[in-house]
Amino acid sequence: DAGVIQSPRHEVTEMGQEVTLRCKPISGHNSLFWYRQTMMRGLELLIYFNNNVPIDDSGMPEDRFSAKMPNASFSTLKIQPSEPRDSAVYFCASTRTGVGSSSYNEQFFGPGTRLTVL
Amino acid sequence: AQSVTQPDIHITVSEGASLELRCNYSYGATPYLFWYVQSPGQGLQLLLKYFSGDTLVQGIKGFEAEFKRSQSSFNLRKPSVHWSDAAEYFCAVTTTSGTYKYIFGTGTRLKVLA
Repeated sequence: DAGVIQSPRHEVTEMGQEVTLRCKPISGHNSLFWYRQTMMRGLELLIYFNNNVPIDDSGMPEDRFSAKMPNASFSTLKIQPSEPRDSAVYFCASTRTGVGSSSYNEQFFGPGTRLTVL
Repeated sequence: AQSVTQPDIHITVSEGASLELRCNYSYGATPYLFWYVQSPGQGLQLLLKYFSGDTLVQGIKGFEAEFKRSQSSFNLRKPSVHWSDAAEYFCAVTTTSGTYKYIFGTGTRLKVLA
């Protein structure tokens, strides 16, 4: 199993530019999560999807952020326009959700995308 | 409100010494509990998890954790720390039903002295 795949691994952009982060979850997983990690705020949940449907986007900081999951094997997190305070490491995680199995609910994390906005 | 507290931001131990990282949670429903480790520049890796049954769970890399419902705690332990254990450790909780959101603690950064 290839694990959760994120691209790019590093992104450097200038303020005002559009940034798109990509995630491919583990095959068979039906829930996907986007997190942001900074020194100041730690690990924050931005949004999560279940069966490709956004369930909770209360963590999305503002309208500049948007996320989509057009199918079970792909998700994007877009920032438009980007700002220096968006600089962080963005993680994608996936899991197979359900009740009654010890393998459910364990989230598998991707390696992250380190975003720097100048 | 649901929360996870890791009271120790930084911990320093000598190589070979024992380790205990604390985690307390506040959760109304039956919890699933996890410990993750993050090495510098890496993603989070699952160390161990508790769903039900035996309250002492064994994980990878020689770690174990004990669930104590009466204390709302899920502390992580290792009898003898290795230099390669230096990393940041996160405790997390989720529910057994309904939303599948994780609530993460703020993390404990472990430093190991040679």
